[in-house]
Amino acid sequence: QVQLQESGPGLVKPSQTLSLTCSVSNDSINSRFYHWSWIRQPAGKGLEWIGRIYTSGNTNYNPSLGSRVTISVDTSKKQFSLKLSSVTAADTAIYYCTGVGGQLGYGYYFETWGQGTLVTVSS
Amino acid sequence: DIQMTQSPPSLSASVGDRVSITCRASQSISNHLNWYQQKPGKAPKLLIYAASNLHSGVPSRFSGSGSGTDFTLTISSLQPEDFASYSCQHSYNTPWTFGQGTRVEIK
Repeated sequence: QVQLQESGPGLVKPSQTLSLTCSVSNDSINSRFYHWSWIRQPAGKGLEWIGRIYTSGNTNYNPSLGSRVTISVDTSKKQFSLKLSSVTAADTAIYYCTGVGGQLGYGYYFETWGQGTLVTVSS
Repeated sequence: DIQMTQSPPSLSASVGDRVSITCRASQSISNHLNWYQQKPGKAPKLLIYAASNLHSGVPSRFSGSGSGTDFTLTISSLQPEDFASYSCQHSYNTPWTFGQGTRVEIK
């Protein structure tokens, strides 16, 4: 079954850019998943959807993050990536990459998750 | 944005109990409601999609119901491995949002 693995720095300085990559294994990135998403979870808090990308490159982002977020995909490497600029302590969280499934009339759901990676924003 | 409100925030129950968690959307979301289970230090796992459809491999003691704005996740007979946090999430439109979660603890 498909597996996802996040990678990237665990510590980012305030005002800098957070960069994470999600590697897809055991399946094609152009698979049955409709698209790929990033989700984050601050310690002790709920989950927040960051945005999604189709393998075509089309994206949708959570307006709460404004123009700070960029998600990209590299199908040849079977990876998709997250960049979040101008980070503050409020961006400290566990970041998850997910494969999004769905069916006509059923909506979309986060079917497969990476294990998550903690990113701390601190000087 | 559509707001998702879960209740209760936490509950204590015993093995074998029937447990229900509710999720209310701030507007109608049809059946575009999913439920996840999360254990400490682990990623969430999909339990129920489209309000009432059991994801592959999920035990049948889990069930979901509801449509429109009000939804319920029910565990018919709580097992030791079910002590965890549960979150609802809508996919009616973007931004997709989650409830704040319900922690199910051992009584």
